[in-house]
Amino acid sequence: GNSVTQMEGPVTLSEEAFLTINCTYTATGYPSLFWYVQYPGEGLQLLLKATKADDKGSNKGFEATYRKETTSFHLEKGSVQVSDSAVYFCALLGGGSNYKLTFGKGTLLTVNP
Amino acid sequence: DAGITQSPRHKVTETGTPVTLRCHQTENHRYMYWYRQDPGHGLRLIHYSYGVKDTDKGEVSDGYSVSRSKTEDFLLTLESATSSQTSVYFCAIREEYEQYFGPGTRLTVT
Repeated sequence: GNSVTQMEGPVTLSEEAFLTINCTYTATGYPSLFWYVQYPGEGLQLLLKATKADDKGSNKGFEATYRKETTSFHLEKGSVQVSDSAVYFCALLGGGSNYKLTFGKGTLLTVNP
Repeated sequence: DAGITQSPRHKVTETGTPVTLRCHQTENHRYMYWYRQDPGHGLRLIHYSYGVKDTDKGEVSDGYSVSRSKTEDFLLTLESATSSQTSVYFCAIREEYEQYFGPGTRLTVT
């Protein structure tokens, strides 16, 4: 079956530091990949996506590249801000799955001023 | 904003009581989903619907049932709540390859 493994947190960074949150996956076929963000007390928001190998998703300064050879979709940001403090979830959408998402366990990011 | 609301937003109930959570959407989406979020587990799919009266189980469906009698509403029922069902419940809709989530319902079973 499908599965997503993302780095365990919590991750604590200073403002303007470089961020990487690792995500690897196992899936049959060619899944689509997503990063969601959850701010405190809120629901999940779609941050970025990639639907095929070598695609790069980007939004709000965050980027992730779909690497089929390493089955990875690592999230990066060059300079984090305090407002980026949140929980980040990697997820995949497998083919023929009635559009069911499989999520990683989430990574809590705290950015200090 | 995908026009998704959930009710109630918070609920405390006792073990053994029935509980129904409601998800309402205003944009006529065909697919709707119920997830639960627990620390250390991320989000796990409970049930989903692919049309009126068309539903199927997710990975953690035991102890839950769902109903969808009209496009805009997807109900999640805990027939007899247990403490292990204390969680935050999220509803989602599908739009093309993406899912959009409601604000969540925090359920505590005492």
